[in-house]
Amino acid sequence: GAGVSQTPSNKVTEKGKYVELRCDPISGHTALYWYRQSLGQGPEFLIYFQGTGAADDSGLPNDRFFAVRPEGSVSTLKIQRTERGDSAVYLCASSQGLAGDRLYNEQFFGPGTRLTVL
Amino acid sequence: KQEVTQIPAALSVPEGENLVLNCSFTDSAIYNLQWFRQDPGKGLTSLLLIQSSQREQTSGRLNASLDKSSGRSTLYIAASQPGDSATYLCAVRVRGNTGKLIFGQGTTLQVKP
Repeated sequence: GAGVSQTPSNKVTEKGKYVELRCDPISGHTALYWYRQSLGQGPEFLIYFQGTGAADDSGLPNDRFFAVRPEGSVSTLKIQRTERGDSAVYLCASSQGLAGDRLYNEQFFGPGTRLTVL
Repeated sequence: KQEVTQIPAALSVPEGENLVLNCSFTDSAIYNLQWFRQDPGKGLTSLLLIQSSQREQTSGRLNASLDKSSGRSTLYIAASQPGDSATYLCAVRVRGNTGKLIFGQGTTLQVKP
């Protein structure tokens, strides 16, 4: 597609429920990133995929959070037993790769999914 | 641990002014620095990316500089317009086998007609 897309745009759930957030990266981009942005803050890194594998998941806050990218394109961020503190905007980004050239490094972001846990 | 700070947190200027947004980072071992724009309720739009070996990048009325040794970057906006009103975020990509970006908290800019 022309840009990174994320669905749903808004998700309201109850405490304790399970949610899935989807990201469709720019076609051909091998690198995919998830970030979380709380109100008034900059985005915080969660996880980075190179192809199908999670190359860096150091930002996942705990084991309730999990992400997959089974075919190296679409990714799903999964949150179990949601808590009110999980409420935030979840942003996805993609880049061509991680080579030294500027073209490969630039990250392009989707519009985000606003998650509200009641 | 890399920390990124943006000053000021908010800025209000009259239309037509030239302005500078500041970004500082604590660890100079970065791969690149990227400036983004975020409109309310929207995602991030990439404005400029500066590789660690570069000193500046320009795009239209925007010019970003990088001084890696002092841990500073500036975003210069010439002849500001009301349409420039948004939050501006800087982010550094840390060295290592990761694409992780570390973001500042942003500067919210209002340009008054």
